Order: sequence, then structure tokens, then C-alpha cells
Amino acid sequence: KQEVTQIPAALSVPEGENLVLNCSFTDSAIYNLQWFRQDPGKGLTSLLLIQSSQREQTSGRLNASLDKSSGRSTLYIAASQPGDSATYLCAVPSGGGADGLTFGKGTHLIIQP
Amino acid sequence: AAGVIQSPRHLIKEKRETATLKCYPIPRHDTVYWYQQGPGQDPQFLISFYEKMQSDKGSIPDRFSAQQFSDYHSELNMSSLELGDSALYFCASSLGRVEAFFGQGTRLTVV
Repeated sequence: KQEVTQIPAALSVPEGENLVLNCSFTDSAIYNLQWFRQDPGKGLTSLLLIQSSQREQTSGRLNASLDKSSGRSTLYIAASQPGDSATYLCAVPSGGGADGLTFGKGTHLIIQP
Repeated sequence: AAGVIQSPRHLIKEKRETATLKCYPIPRHDTVYWYQQGPGQDPQFLISFYEKMQSDKGSIPDRFSAQQFSDYHSELNMSSLELGDSALYFCASSLGRVEAFFGQGTRLTVV
């Protein structure tokens, strides 16, 4: 059964810092990995999708990397802004022929103005 | 760009009542998923449909059922509601089971 762990569970940093969120998964036979952002009580916004054949994907100030063999992904946020405050969730296909994604419990990020 | 549309956004029901949640996937997407996110929890996969046929079931209670209609919209039917069913319910859609796009969710409160 796929399990996803995200570290740290919470992070509070001053505006302008670069930061790294970590995600690990137990079953490395994945075909992609997604990073999502969730504001309190709101929906999930897809930030980045990395295919298993890719090493990294970039969108603006966000960069996600994937190391399938070690079962790890990182989300790098450059020059953080207060508007980046949210919960960031990592998700991978549940595997074993099952549909759906298995999510980590997320990193709750607060950027202090 | 069109997104996944869910209705209603908020719903309050009493215990033992029935609720129906609706989802309109992104046009031309072939797969629809339903997820449940309890307070402070990560989303849990409930059920999926591929080309209007049920594709997979996750942790969906027997009191819940879902279907996808000919126009590709999907409905999640929840009966005999319990207090523990209070949660955010998300619908997502994808094309070819690649990138999943989520709706804004329906917040169900059972009182």
C-alpha cells in the first residue's frame, strides 16, 4: 500500500526566504507525482506535475524535483511571499492498478510579512 | 479555461438524511474521481469513473453510491448521514489518468 510522508508538517519563515518542502513515498513504481496547494477550507490547486521520466519541473518561483529510485520529491519555493501561505500537498498514484491518488498530510506553510 | 465545477458549495443536513453532490468535469476529460477530506486530514479516494463506467472503489462507505451520466457529469449520493460524514468532498477529473484537476469542493455539515 502506497504511503506518502511530508516533512516538515509546518513551517513559518520570513518573507523573501527560499525554502524546501519534502515528500517521500514508499512504492517507487509511480508514473507521476503532483504537488498541490490548498488554502484553508478551499479546493486543491495543482501546482506541478512531474512525470516519472522527468527529473524536475518548474513553474515561476516553484521547482519540483523527483527521484523515483529513492522515493523522494522536493518542492523548492524561491523568494517566498505572504501569498504563498497555504498547505502544500504531495500526491502519487495509489498503485497496484488502483485509481486515485494517495496524498501526504501536507506542509502547512506560513510566510511572515 | 474551464475547471471542475461542483455543486452545491455548502450543504447542511441532519443525521439520517440523504445528500446528493454534483460534479461537472472539465470538458473532454475521461476520468472522474471523488475524494473525502475530513477536518485536518488529507483527501481520501472514494470512487472513480472512466468513460462513465465505475473504474475503482476506495474507502467509500456502503451508504454512499455514485454514478456518471451520459453528459459526463457525476453525482455522489450519500444516505443515512452520520456526524462523521461531515467533510469536504472533492471531485477531480483527468484526461488519460494523468494530471488530476480538482474542483472547489462541497462542504457537507451533518448536524
